Amino acid sequence: DTGVSQDPRHKITKRGQNVTFRCDPISEHNRLYWYRQTLGQGPEFLTYFQNEAQLEKSRLLSDRFSAERPKGSFSTLEIQRTEQGDSAMYLCASSAQGTGKDTQYFGPGTRLTVL
Amino acid sequence: AQSVTQLGSHVSVSEGALVLLRCNYSSSVPPYLFWYVQYPNQGLQLLLKYTTGATLVKGINGFEAEFKKSETSFHLTKPSAHMSDAAEYFCAVGPDGSARQLTFGSGTQLTVLP
Repeated sequence: DTGVSQDPRHKITKRGQNVTFRCDPISEHNRLYWYRQTLGQGPEFLTYFQNEAQLEKSRLLSDRFSAERPKGSFSTLEIQRTEQGDSAMYLCASSAQGTGKDTQYFGPGTRLTVL
Repeated sequence: AQSVTQLGSHVSVSEGALVLLRCNYSSSVPPYLFWYVQYPNQGLQLLLKYTTGATLVKGINGFEAEFKKSETSFHLTKPSAHMSDAAEYFCAVGPDGSARQLTFGSGTQLTVLP
Protein backbone atom coordinates (compact mmCIF):
# COMPACT_ATOMS: atom_id res chain seq x y z
CA ASP A 1 0.00 0.00 0.00
CA THR A 2 1.72 3.16 -1.17
CA GLY A 3 1.06 6.39 0.64
CA VAL A 4 0.14 9.80 -0.64
CA SER A 5 2.68 11.13 -3.12
CA GLN A 6 3.29 14.70 -4.25
CA ASP A 7 5.26 16.11 -7.13
CA PRO A 8 7.46 18.07 -7.23
CA ARG A 9 8.93 18.06 -3.74
CA HIS A 10 10.48 21.46 -4.24
CA LYS A 11 9.68 24.30 -6.62
CA ILE A 12 11.46 27.60 -6.97
CA THR A 13 9.82 30.18 -9.20
CA LYS A 14 9.91 33.87 -9.91
CA ARG A 15 7.14 36.18 -8.88
CA GLY A 16 4.42 36.35 -11.48
CA GLN A 17 4.95 32.84 -12.85
CA ASN A 18 2.34 30.08 -12.72
CA VAL A 19 3.02 26.82 -10.91
CA THR A 20 1.19 23.51 -10.73
CA PHE A 21 1.51 20.78 -8.14
CA ARG A 22 0.28 17.22 -8.33
CA CYS A 23 -1.03 14.91 -5.63
CA ASP A 24 -1.67 11.19 -5.94
CA PRO A 25 -3.80 9.88 -3.06
CA ILE A 26 -3.89 6.43 -1.55
CA SER A 27 -5.65 4.39 -4.20
CA GLU A 28 -8.80 3.43 -2.33
CA HIS A 29 -9.37 6.90 -0.84
CA ASN A 30 -12.15 8.98 -2.39
CA ARG A 31 -11.48 12.15 -0.40
CA LEU A 32 -8.57 14.47 -1.09
CA TYR A 33 -7.51 17.61 0.76
CA TRP A 34 -5.08 20.46 0.17
CA TYR A 35 -3.46 22.41 3.01
CA ARG A 36 -0.89 25.19 3.13
CA GLN A 37 1.74 25.40 5.85
CA THR A 38 3.89 28.45 6.39
CA LEU A 39 7.04 28.47 8.47
CA GLY A 40 6.37 27.98 12.17
CA GLN A 41 2.65 27.40 11.71
CA GLY A 42 0.30 24.47 11.50
CA PRO A 43 -1.30 23.49 8.21
CA GLU A 44 -4.25 25.57 7.05
CA PHE A 45 -7.08 23.99 5.10
CA LEU A 46 -7.44 25.12 1.49
CA THR A 47 -9.90 22.80 -0.24
CA TYR A 48 -11.43 19.34 -0.23
CA PHE A 49 -12.70 16.93 -2.87
CA GLN A 50 -14.97 13.98 -2.61
CA ASN A 51 -14.39 11.96 -5.74
CA GLU A 52 -14.21 14.60 -8.49
CA ALA A 53 -16.44 17.13 -6.74
CA GLN A 54 -14.84 20.06 -4.96
CA LEU A 55 -17.04 20.34 -1.87
CA GLU A 56 -15.35 22.94 0.30
CA LYS A 57 -13.03 25.85 -0.33
CA SER A 58 -11.39 28.06 2.25
CA ARG A 59 -11.45 31.83 1.95
CA LEU A 60 -7.66 31.44 1.87
CA LEU A 61 -8.06 30.07 -1.64
CA SER A 62 -7.94 33.28 -3.64
CA ASP A 63 -8.90 33.60 -7.29
CA ARG A 64 -5.29 32.89 -8.24
CA PHE A 65 -5.59 29.38 -6.82
CA SER A 66 -7.44 26.59 -8.56
CA ALA A 67 -7.64 22.91 -7.77
CA GLU A 68 -8.96 20.06 -9.85
CA ARG A 69 -9.54 16.36 -9.51
CA PRO A 70 -10.90 15.49 -12.94
CA LYS A 71 -11.29 11.75 -12.65
CA GLY A 72 -11.56 11.42 -8.92
CA SER A 73 -8.02 10.12 -8.64
CA PHE A 74 -5.04 12.49 -8.68
CA SER A 75 -5.44 16.21 -8.07
CA THR A 76 -3.63 19.32 -9.22
CA LEU A 77 -3.27 22.66 -7.47
CA GLU A 78 -2.38 25.61 -9.68
CA ILE A 79 -1.26 29.01 -8.51
CA GLN A 80 -1.35 31.77 -11.10
CA ARG A 81 0.74 34.94 -10.95
CA THR A 82 2.64 33.77 -7.89
CA GLU A 83 3.47 36.24 -5.13
CA GLN A 84 6.17 36.06 -2.48
CA GLY A 85 3.46 35.45 0.10
CA ASP A 86 2.65 32.18 -1.63
CA SER A 87 5.94 30.71 -0.43
CA ALA A 88 4.94 27.79 1.77
CA MET A 89 4.71 24.04 2.02
CA TYR A 90 1.66 22.71 0.19
CA LEU A 91 0.40 19.49 1.72
CA CYS A 92 -2.00 17.00 0.25
CA ALA A 93 -3.92 14.43 2.28
CA SER A 94 -6.39 11.71 1.45
CA SER A 95 -8.94 9.68 3.33
CA ALA A 96 -11.66 7.15 2.87
CA GLN A 97 -15.25 7.99 3.69
CA GLY A 98 -17.29 6.83 6.64
CA THR A 99 -17.20 6.79 10.39
CA GLY A 100 -13.86 5.56 11.62
CA LYS A 101 -12.44 5.50 8.10
CA ASP A 102 -12.00 9.20 7.45
CA THR A 103 -8.58 9.72 9.03
CA GLN A 104 -6.44 11.93 6.81
CA TYR A 105 -3.07 10.63 5.65
CA PHE A 106 -0.61 13.24 4.46
CA GLY A 107 1.90 13.31 1.66
CA PRO A 108 5.44 14.70 2.00
CA GLY A 109 4.45 18.11 0.67
CA THR A 110 5.67 20.46 -2.05
CA ARG A 111 7.80 23.31 -0.83
CA LEU A 112 7.28 26.43 -2.95
CA THR A 113 9.72 29.31 -2.91
CA VAL A 114 8.74 32.45 -4.80
CA LEU A 115 11.64 34.79 -5.51
CA ALA B 1 -16.17 27.30 14.36
CA GLN B 2 -13.43 25.34 16.01
CA SER B 3 -9.95 26.30 17.17
CA VAL B 4 -6.90 24.69 18.73
CA THR B 5 -4.39 26.15 21.16
CA GLN B 6 -1.09 24.44 21.80
CA LEU B 7 0.57 25.83 24.91
CA GLY B 8 4.32 26.07 24.49
CA SER B 9 5.79 26.42 21.03
CA HIS B 10 9.00 24.77 22.27
CA VAL B 11 9.35 22.00 24.86
CA SER B 12 12.64 20.46 25.96
CA VAL B 13 12.93 17.24 27.94
CA SER B 14 15.80 14.97 28.88
CA GLU B 15 16.02 11.52 27.37
CA GLY B 16 14.00 9.17 29.55
CA ALA B 17 11.86 11.93 31.04
CA LEU B 18 8.11 12.35 30.73
CA VAL B 19 6.84 14.11 27.62
CA LEU B 20 3.76 16.32 28.04
CA LEU B 21 2.50 18.41 25.13
CA ARG B 22 -0.59 20.48 25.80
CA CYS B 23 -3.57 20.98 23.53
CA ASN B 24 -6.83 22.79 24.24
CA TYR B 25 -9.63 23.03 21.72
CA SER B 26 -12.90 24.77 21.20
CA SER B 27 -15.72 23.19 19.28
CA SER B 28 -19.45 23.64 19.25
CA VAL B 29 -20.04 19.93 18.74
CA PRO B 30 -18.35 16.82 20.09
CA PRO B 31 -14.97 16.97 18.43
CA TYR B 32 -12.78 14.57 16.59
CA LEU B 33 -9.23 15.17 17.88
CA PHE B 34 -5.88 14.23 16.42
CA TRP B 35 -2.18 14.42 17.12
CA TYR B 36 0.22 14.43 14.19
CA VAL B 37 4.02 14.48 14.18
CA GLN B 38 6.17 16.16 11.54
CA TYR B 39 9.86 15.50 11.00
CA PRO B 40 11.93 18.10 9.12
CA ASN B 41 10.96 18.50 5.47
CA GLN B 42 8.37 15.76 5.68
CA GLY B 43 4.61 15.53 5.76
CA LEU B 44 2.51 14.80 8.82
CA GLN B 45 2.25 11.35 10.36
CA LEU B 46 -0.75 10.41 12.47
CA LEU B 47 0.15 9.56 16.07
CA LEU B 48 -3.34 8.96 17.45
CA LYS B 49 -6.94 10.08 17.24
CA TYR B 50 -10.04 10.38 19.37
CA THR B 51 -13.45 10.04 17.80
CA THR B 52 -15.84 8.46 20.28
CA GLY B 53 -15.66 5.94 23.08
CA ALA B 54 -12.71 5.50 25.41
CA THR B 55 -11.24 8.83 26.39
CA LEU B 56 -7.71 7.50 26.83
CA VAL B 57 -6.28 6.88 23.38
CA LYS B 58 -3.08 5.00 22.69
CA GLY B 59 -1.05 5.70 19.60
CA ILE B 60 2.17 4.76 17.92
CA ASN B 61 5.65 5.01 19.41
CA GLY B 62 4.37 4.84 22.99
CA PHE B 63 2.34 8.05 22.88
CA GLU B 64 -1.09 8.44 24.38
CA ALA B 65 -3.61 11.23 24.91
CA GLU B 66 -6.64 11.73 27.08
CA PHE B 67 -9.78 13.53 25.99
CA LYS B 68 -11.13 15.62 28.86
CA LYS B 69 -14.38 17.25 27.87
CA SER B 70 -14.70 19.32 31.06
CA GLU B 71 -11.28 20.85 30.45
CA THR B 72 -11.58 20.92 26.63
CA SER B 73 -8.15 19.36 26.53
CA PHE B 74 -6.39 16.60 24.63
CA HIS B 75 -2.85 16.55 26.00
CA LEU B 76 -0.24 14.20 24.53
CA THR B 77 2.04 12.21 26.82
CA LYS B 78 4.81 9.65 26.66
CA PRO B 79 6.32 8.18 29.82
CA SER B 80 9.93 8.12 28.61
CA ALA B 81 11.33 10.34 25.87
CA HIS B 82 13.65 8.96 23.23
CA MET B 83 16.02 10.93 21.04
CA SER B 84 13.99 9.90 18.00
CA ASP B 85 10.94 11.71 19.41
CA ALA B 86 12.48 15.08 18.56
CA ALA B 87 10.10 16.60 16.03
CA GLU B 88 7.21 19.03 15.71
CA TYR B 89 3.85 17.94 17.04
CA PHE B 90 0.49 19.25 15.90
CA CYS B 91 -2.89 18.91 17.56
CA ALA B 92 -5.91 19.13 15.27
CA VAL B 93 -9.69 19.18 15.59
CA GLY B 94 -12.21 18.00 13.03
CA PRO B 95 -15.43 19.95 12.47
CA ASP B 96 -18.91 18.72 13.09
CA GLY B 97 -17.70 15.56 14.71
CA SER B 98 -15.91 14.48 11.58
CA ALA B 99 -12.40 14.34 10.21
CA ARG B 100 -12.89 16.69 7.25
CA GLN B 101 -11.35 20.15 7.08
CA LEU B 102 -9.03 19.82 10.06
CA THR B 103 -8.06 22.88 12.09
CA PHE B 104 -4.50 22.63 13.38
CA GLY B 105 -2.73 24.25 16.26
CA SER B 106 0.48 26.14 15.63
CA GLY B 107 2.62 23.23 16.74
CA THR B 108 5.04 22.37 19.53
CA GLN B 109 8.69 21.69 18.73
CA LEU B 110 9.97 18.93 21.01
CA THR B 111 13.68 18.78 21.76
CA VAL B 112 15.11 15.75 23.55
CA LEU B 113 18.32 16.38 25.41
CA PRO B 114 20.88 13.61 25.97
